[in-house]
Amino acid sequence: DTAVSQTPKYLVTQMGNDKSIKCEQNLGHDTMYWYKQDSKKFLKIMFSYNNKELIINETVPNRFSPKSPDKAHLNLHINSLELGDSAVYFCASSQETTGVYGYTFGSGTRLTVV
Amino acid sequence: ILNVEQSPQSLHVQEGDSTNFTCSFPSSNFYALHWYRWETAKSPEALFVMTLNGDEKKKGQISATLNTKEGYSYLYIKGSQPEDSATYLCAFNPGNQFYFGTGTSLTVIP
Repeated sequence: DTAVSQTPKYLVTQMGNDKSIKCEQNLGHDTMYWYKQDSKKFLKIMFSYNNKELIINETVPNRFSPKSPDKAHLNLHINSLELGDSAVYFCASSQETTGVYGYTFGSGTRLTVV
Repeated sequence: ILNVEQSPQSLHVQEGDSTNFTCSFPSSNFYALHWYRWETAKSPEALFVMTLNGDEKKKGQISATLNTKEGYSYLYIKGSQPEDSATYLCAFNPGNQFYFGTGTSLTVIP
């Protein structure tokens, strides 16, 4: 029974398309995150939601929009995809806002924009 | 931009060897530090959560120490096994969010 599940695992799409990545956690955690793993393998935070409310919004293009219908879900919608958006995107959750007890990560979504 | 540096970037050791690697972070503010183990094609899994008042952490043959004054944490693996091969990632939180290092990739050769 997967704790943090992301779909799809792989996504290949053309430039200019709009796509969504879904994330669900069944841990009862209050906080969810989206991270982007860049070409140098850094994990960079994009967004953080606590109980459906946005608490961290790093400098990402506004083509990226997170949506949290409830505290168990945090989806990432990307408009007008560009080549530079190709990366692995990880969803994560933590018990509370600080994440001090550790994160539980999803298995990642490899996005390739062609 | 806050720098969390891990060294070495990669490491190859023989089965049975003990090894250690470093996570360096700014020493000015400390809230928490995490170590994660990240196997290829899987997601990072939490190994240790280290807080200001924490002692050395230990899980099996893996242990971690923390020096917040000088801004580093060491991860030790005693008697490495091939199944220890993974990337070990640290994440530092100065009080607002976690900043990840790029990891140390460990390969244990049978």
